[in-house]
Amino acid sequence: KAGVTQTPRYLIKTRGQQVTLSCSPISGHRSVSWYQQTPGQGLQFLFEYFSETQRNKGNFPGRFSGRQFSNSRSEMNVSTLELGDSALYLCASSLTGQNYGYTFGSGTRLTVV
Amino acid sequence: AQSVTQLDSQVPVFEEAPVELRCNYSSSVSVYLFWYVQYPNQGLQLLLKYLSGSTLVKGINGFEAEFNKSQTSFHLRKPSVHISDTAEYFCAVSESGGSEKLVFGKGTKLTVNP
Repeated sequence: KAGVTQTPRYLIKTRGQQVTLSCSPISGHRSVSWYQQTPGQGLQFLFEYFSETQRNKGNFPGRFSGRQFSNSRSEMNVSTLELGDSALYLCASSLTGQNYGYTFGSGTRLTVV
Repeated sequence: AQSVTQLDSQVPVFEEAPVELRCNYSSSVSVYLFWYVQYPNQGLQLLLKYLSGSTLVKGINGFEAEFNKSQTSFHLRKPSVHISDTAEYFCAVSESGGSEKLVFGKGTKLTVNP
């Protein structure tokens, strides 16, 4: 079956712009989480959605937001981009949550110039 | 709050040798523990997980890990590695029955040499 699909794979944006990243979870999975991966900070949790509701949120500024649709697809948005937002953004899906383990997508590589 | 320490940032080994990647965690509550692997330019793949029960957990690709509550450790082992095991390995912890947030270690880069 299809895995977790993230689009686009690569993105270059200018400081001050905003960006939207998309994630299509595995069919039937209702939990979607987002992580930011950078060389300096490693993997950091952004937020998690379950059945269109945000269940958990990490320690990121309000410029980072997300949502989940009724078909479980999820988007995350970053407004007023800063150079430090350059990172690999990973989406992960699970049937209901951590008990089942998360399957990660290949990520979206965002470069802010 | 939970935290994870992966004691080795890089581990070089020869092909067919055994390997152990070390992971220690800190938490004031019960936890679930995970090992993930990341190949270059890819996302993370779940190798194995400990939720409860037997402390020895077997995963994919011949990997296994042992949960040691007294030492708060969850070390990953493989008796004989292959070139294809070259990758970065991440240990992660989450609060059992609580937040879905995974807290990751900084990763261990395993390099298998011929």
